[in-house]
Amino acid sequence: GESVGLHLPTLSVQEGDNSIINCAYSNSASDYFIWYKQESGKGPQFIIDIRSNMDKRQGQRVTVLLNKTVKHLSLQIAATQPGDSAVYFCAENYPGGTSYGKLTFGQGTILTVHP
Amino acid sequence: NAGVMQNPRHLVRRRGQEARLRCSPMKGHSHVYWYRQLPEEGLKFMVYLQKENIIDESGMPKERFSAEFPKEGPSILRIQQVVRGDSAAYFCASSIGQGNEQFFGPGTRLTVL
Repeated sequence: GESVGLHLPTLSVQEGDNSIINCAYSNSASDYFIWYKQESGKGPQFIIDIRSNMDKRQGQRVTVLLNKTVKHLSLQIAATQPGDSAVYFCAENYPGGTSYGKLTFGQGTILTVHP
Repeated sequence: NAGVMQNPRHLVRRRGQEARLRCSPMKGHSHVYWYRQLPEEGLKFMVYLQKENIIDESGMPKERFSAEFPKEGPSILRIQQVVRGDSAAYFCASSIGQGNEQFFGPGTRLTVL
């Protein structure tokens, strides 16, 4: 089946540490991946995306790595801050007629940053 | 530049009533998506619309649920004869084109008593 899943449902880190959140996807045809951050009571907020023709993309304090061989995606957050505490979702998008548009989300990882 | 707007933010309905959820996409966006999120779960795709057209409704329940995106005005997700299992957060997203970044609204939290 087609699914996006996460290895770790919760992650606790100390402020200043680096955080790594992992995601496995099963659809090898997926060509666009996005990481979203969702704070309590709010909608998902775009963090960073990557297309399948890349294996790494960097933003401000965040890096996304894509390993198509093992269908694995990760989000690295440098110098994690208490404001980074939230639920993080990976999502995939794959081409194919009218399906190209909908996102398939993973379960989510709860990141807790301790001061 | 306003983002995606949804209203109401909170909606309480009794079993058997109708729920209407509205979504105004970002300016310049003509693609709208609806997702449902149950507590402590990820978002599940429901329907993808462009102006006056349903592009993909593969995630919509076969009965009681409908969606539209008219030429003028917001997109509407309608749930008829609501049941307790419909209680969830419903999120709308919009994009400038198919396969482009989707921007999410704040969601409507539906509670069915």
